[in-house]
Order: sequence, then structure tokens, then C-alpha cells
Amino acid sequence: SAVISQKPSRDICQRGTSLTIQCQVDSQVTMMFWYRQQPGQSLTLIATANQGSEATYESGFVIDKFPISRPNLTFSTLTVSNMSPEDSSIYLCSVTSGLETQYFGPGTRLLVL
Amino acid sequence: DAKTTQPTSMDCAEGRAANLPCNHSTISGNEYVYWYRQIHSQGPQYIIHGLKNNETNEMASLIITEDRKSSTLILPHATLRDTAVYYCIASYTGTASKLTFGTGTRLQVTL
Repeated sequence: SAVISQKPSRDICQRGTSLTIQCQVDSQVTMMFWYRQQPGQSLTLIATANQGSEATYESGFVIDKFPISRPNLTFSTLTVSNMSPEDSSIYLCSVTSGLETQYFGPGTRLLVL
Repeated sequence: DAKTTQPTSMDCAEGRAANLPCNHSTISGNEYVYWYRQIHSQGPQYIIHGLKNNETNEMASLIITEDRKSSTLILPHATLRDTAVYYCIASYTGTASKLTFGTGTRLQVTL
């Protein structure tokens, strides 16, 4: 399975600011996904990060709020823009390669004050 | 993706087998049953998946009923480190597969 790292592991931010979260994989993967887990809740898919093209967003998530980049097959970023306390969550990236199972990174814990 | 239903919580004594049920009565013929667990807000950890046949790996066994409408994840000898939220997910395999997480079962392993 792929080894996935995320930076930062946690952060405390002021409302109105933006934070960019990085996801790095130790091998080339086909698909990368971004999920959000709000406090006490289950995981919700934000978007699929597409290499070389715009991300595909799920209902309720928009590019202006969560811009995503994927410049190559091992790296992606998620930006949480113009943050409010409601954005306090764990943000997780996941990857798949070929027909393999989806694996998750350790997550980024975000607290917005 | 088919909807899955799991009990909210379960307890298990350490050293005993933990049997976690999951209902997926609307699963389609080419959807797999995946199991993940999440320990204390870490990233979800893949456990096992299957289509029709029972599966076993170093972590667990997966028993799928013949009509595929339900399944059971078995942790043969539960330890305190198995305390986690366990998610049963019906999903297509392949590179474009998205996972739809439900609320899962919170398994508490006790001494």
C-alpha cells in the first residue's frame, strides 16, 4: 500500500484566512480524493483531484471555497478559503492506484477561531 | 452506492471474537463490501473487502451471505487496540471509486 503524508498535521487559524493542506504519496497513484470529517461526524467526500485538470466536486462543495491542485501523480493540495469556525474539521486525502483499495492519509486537524 | 446499515455501538471482551454486522439489502451485483476502521480520529484504515466469497486476511474475516444482502466482519481475538469506529461500505472497485461513509459501529473492547 502507498505511504501517504499530510502537512500540516494540525493548525489553528483565524477566521477569514486561508490554509493550504498538502498531500504527498510515496508512489504514483491514479486517483486522489479529499474528504472532510466534521467533529463527531463521519467522512464526507469533498472532491476528486484530477491530474492536469480541474477537480470534480461533490454536491455542496465549490471550487471557490475549496480550490484543489494536482500537478503530478504523487502530490495534491487542498485550500480551505476564507475560513469560518464551521470549517473546523479533519481533512483527509486518500489515494487509489489501478484496481487497488483506497488508502487514507493521517489527516489534518483544523481549528478555526 | 448502496446504503449500508450498522448498529451504532457494540462491546466486546478482550480475547473474544468481535462480530460486526452490516446490512446492505440494495447492493448491486458488482458492488463490493468494504470494511474500514478509524481509531481515535486517525485516518481510516482499510481492513478487508469482498464481492461474493468469504474473505480472510491477517486482520479479519469477512462473511457475506449468499444473497449478499448482509455481511459480518469478524475480529477473531479482539484486543484493546481494536477499539475504533468500524465502517461498512458498499462500493464499486476501480480507480474512480468514491467511498460513501455511513455512521459506522463504535466497537469498545474491554478487559
